[in-house]
Amino acid sequence: QQQVKQSPQSLIVQKGGISIINCAYENTAFDYFPWYQQFPGKGPALLIAIRPDVSEKKEGRFTISFNKSAKQFSLHIMDSQPGDSATYFCAASRSGSRLTFGEGTQLTVNP
Amino acid sequence: NAGVMQNPRHLVRRRGQEARLRCSPMKGHSHVYWYRQLPEEGLKFMVYLQKENIIDESGMPKERFSAEFPKEGPSILRIQQVVRGDSAAYFCASSPWRPMGDTQYFGPGTRLTVL
Repeated sequence: QQQVKQSPQSLIVQKGGISIINCAYENTAFDYFPWYQQFPGKGPALLIAIRPDVSEKKEGRFTISFNKSAKQFSLHIMDSQPGDSATYFCAASRSGSRLTFGEGTQLTVNP
Repeated sequence: NAGVMQNPRHLVRRRGQEARLRCSPMKGHSHVYWYRQLPEEGLKFMVYLQKENIIDESGMPKERFSAEFPKEGPSILRIQQVVRGDSAAYFCASSPWRPMGDTQYFGPGTRLTVL
């Protein structure tokens, strides 16, 4: 019940396109869903996060869509740029406890 | 406001030696989490600590691994008698006291290589 499943494993997008990464969770007690961006050799950096009382949250080019009934959430990156090329991790936690991470998506944005 | 600091950034040990990884949380943060990232894999939770208390160690291997977060000084993740399978990136994250928020801020990691 602690798993978070993430897809796709890798994604190639053209500059200016939309990148979409999906995650599904099992534990209905999860109440916090962040997305992290990680560049090679660096630590994960928080990108955007959502709680289950809203269905969508937007910050700049990044949007989280949340479907509580389906237990799914996704990250949309609009107008993708080569600088967005990184590994993206979804995660979930319950009441501020440990984060359970998805397996990661390696995004490549071609110029 | 400095971010989460970890040292050393790179650590090389021979099999059987001890590894000590240090983490200084962000100023004002009293919660520390340790995660391990194996090559080409996601991050796996290891342990969650508050000052002088281990809150959740369900992700820690039963042997050779220990963690502490003393009243003064950084949090320490200690690995005794390292084996090649311990080679990984170890990340520390910190968060403020509840109910200020759930956001965990990660450090740059310590990359452990066991020869």
